[in-house]
Amino acid sequence: IAGITQAPTSQILAAGRRMTLRCTQDMRHNAMYWYRQDLGLGLRLIHYSNTAGTTGKGEVPDGYSVSRANTDDFPLTLASAVPSQTSVYFCASSDGAGGLNEQFFGPGTRLTVL
Amino acid sequence: GQNIDQPTEMTATEGAIVQINCTYQTSGFNGLFWYQQHAGEAPTFLSYNVLDGLEEKGRFSSFLSRSKGYSYLLLKELQMKDSASYLCAVTDSNYQLIWGAGTKLIIKP
Repeated sequence: IAGITQAPTSQILAAGRRMTLRCTQDMRHNAMYWYRQDLGLGLRLIHYSNTAGTTGKGEVPDGYSVSRANTDDFPLTLASAVPSQTSVYFCASSDGAGGLNEQFFGPGTRLTVL
Repeated sequence: GQNIDQPTEMTATEGAIVQINCTYQTSGFNGLFWYQQHAGEAPTFLSYNVLDGLEEKGRFSSFLSRSKGYSYLLLKELQMKDSASYLCAVTDSNYQLIWGAGTKLIIKP
């Protein structure tokens, strides 16, 4: 059982380039989330999806987009990367509302934008 | 605004007990989570409190006082593997999680 996988593990990206971070879960969880984690700050929610076919904006959505075509996959796209998007990105999922249920996290993607 | 406060860093000795505090000010309250995060790894779930009182789970216990906007995580019989960051997160009235910045716990032999 893999749980949640993320790809790539790390990436160095030139500013202005487009990048998609991949996230796949095999737990059949309805809800999925994308967070970014920066030193000295708490996890910040970028986008979320309560069920396949629906998405919502979190605390810091600007510059990011997501899609949820099926239950398992929840890719995060940076349309035109900027240095302030340098961060560690975590994908997570939960069986039901994430505010009331344990969230399971992927291993993270370390992204550096130069 | 919404705010979660935790100490930035704490140091404790192997075999001892440590208490990590979390205070919160949020728009509504629907529960409080504690997660553990080892350096370079993903957060993992430790506990969830929605009612006042103490929840015990092995060496770890979590306490909640809703009237005071306060929680603590108590770690007993500390082991070197407990060196990690401990994240407090509160569910607000919109059922969204608000995360604290985390407390880095350093265990010394």
